[in-house]
Amino acid sequence: DQQVKQNSPSLSVQEGRISILNCDYTNSMFDYFLWYKKYPAEGPTFLISISSIKDKNEDGRFTVFLNKSAKHLSLHIVPSQPGDSAVYFCAACGTSYGKLTFGQGTILTVHP
Amino acid sequence: GAVVSQHPSRVICKSGTSVKIECRSLDFQATTMFWYRQFPKKSLMLMATSNEGSKATYEQGVEKDKFLINHASLTLSTLTVTSAHPEDSSFYICSAQGDGENTIYFGEGSWLTVV
Repeated sequence: DQQVKQNSPSLSVQEGRISILNCDYTNSMFDYFLWYKKYPAEGPTFLISISSIKDKNEDGRFTVFLNKSAKHLSLHIVPSQPGDSAVYFCAACGTSYGKLTFGQGTILTVHP
Repeated sequence: GAVVSQHPSRVICKSGTSVKIECRSLDFQATTMFWYRQFPKKSLMLMATSNEGSKATYEQGVEKDKFLINHASLTLSTLTVTSAHPEDSSFYICSAQGDGENTIYFGEGSWLTVV
């Protein structure tokens, strides 16, 4: 039972353009969502998060949008840079903060 | 710099032996740590929640007698894979929970290969 889903295994974007990574969830008890960037054989690096009381959170080039009614969130990276190439995971948690449920990940490749 | 450190980063062990992986919070106290496992090209799956001074809470399907977790201090949790088998080969990652929002820190991960 995949409670957090990233349906796009990969995404390829030109440098300078916008990257949009999507994530859907099924558990209505989730109230905090996070995005992580991960390189092979390394631990995840936190990027940005959003609480369910908000619908948008912005941090530099990264913006996360949350649509609670659709149980959908997205990460926008603009402008995309080659150094952004990595696997991006969305994660969610409920009242037990820190106990994360991860999506399957999306491989982002940003071409120069 | 890293705030959560895992050791070893890579380990190879023989079938039937046990191997211990350490997870340390470097500059904060973590009453709660989490252990995840990642299979190749798959997501991170939560194995257990490690609570300082008490028993770990295991997720459904995770054998607690095989994956022993000890959280004896506020800065250290250990995962011991007992009687390891090749199917235990995986990437194991810990995280530690600090105070406040956005304070879940992940370790660098540990590659376990059982031969």
